Amino acid sequence: DSGVTQTPKHLITATGQRVTLRCSPRSGDLSVYWYQQSLDQGLQFLIQYYNGEERAKGNILERFSAQQFPDLHSELNLSSLELGDSALYFCASSHSRGGANTGELFFGEGSRLTVL
Amino acid sequence: GQNIDQPTEMTATEGAIVQINCTYQTSGFNGLFWYQQHAGEAPTFLSYNVLDGLEEKGRFSSFLSRSKGYSYLLLKELQMKDSASYLCAVRDNNAGNMLTFGGGTRLMVKP
Repeated sequence: DSGVTQTPKHLITATGQRVTLRCSPRSGDLSVYWYQQSLDQGLQFLIQYYNGEERAKGNILERFSAQQFPDLHSELNLSSLELGDSALYFCASSHSRGGANTGELFFGEGSRLTVL
Repeated sequence: GQNIDQPTEMTATEGAIVQINCTYQTSGFNGLFWYQQHAGEAPTFLSYNVLDGLEEKGRFSSFLSRSKGYSYLLLKELQMKDSASYLCAVRDNNAGNMLTFGGGTRLMVKP
């Protein structure tokens, strides 16, 4: 158990719909990262937050948005869903910004999104 | 940007040794990570290298050569449970210190 909690574990929805994925980082971790992993694909970095502020942005679609709240949990919002958005969405957390120490990421179990 | 290459698939025999290579190109190298991921599960941290050389941790070792942009993960005394994907990831301090992952190497361990 990494200490990172993601909900829901599974989600099935239709094209055009909107969903929200939630992540609670490990206790004390200030950074939250979102990754997308499509079937048999690598992890694609979406976005990072550090202590409530956006820190780095990857190939995140404009239809997707995220935020980190004062209690450090984070939400990833996916809207106008398309079939190609079906994937595992992982949240990871680390204590640091990613520079001073190892910066190892601890991953949650992921949210599997299926768009029909 | 970054370019991380690793073989797509490898097969090895139980009890044997396997080496999974990773090459990368990055402008602001700040560490290389190896993660293990079983199908449908979360990636779990295996090793971290930031200086040249070999880091050993039980049956797993990881090597880094910064000048060559090259790393390998060495798995010894392979067990069936080692069948998984192995992900190489590079941290770049010119990209907000985020981790960029390679496509992963799917390792199949056969009896």
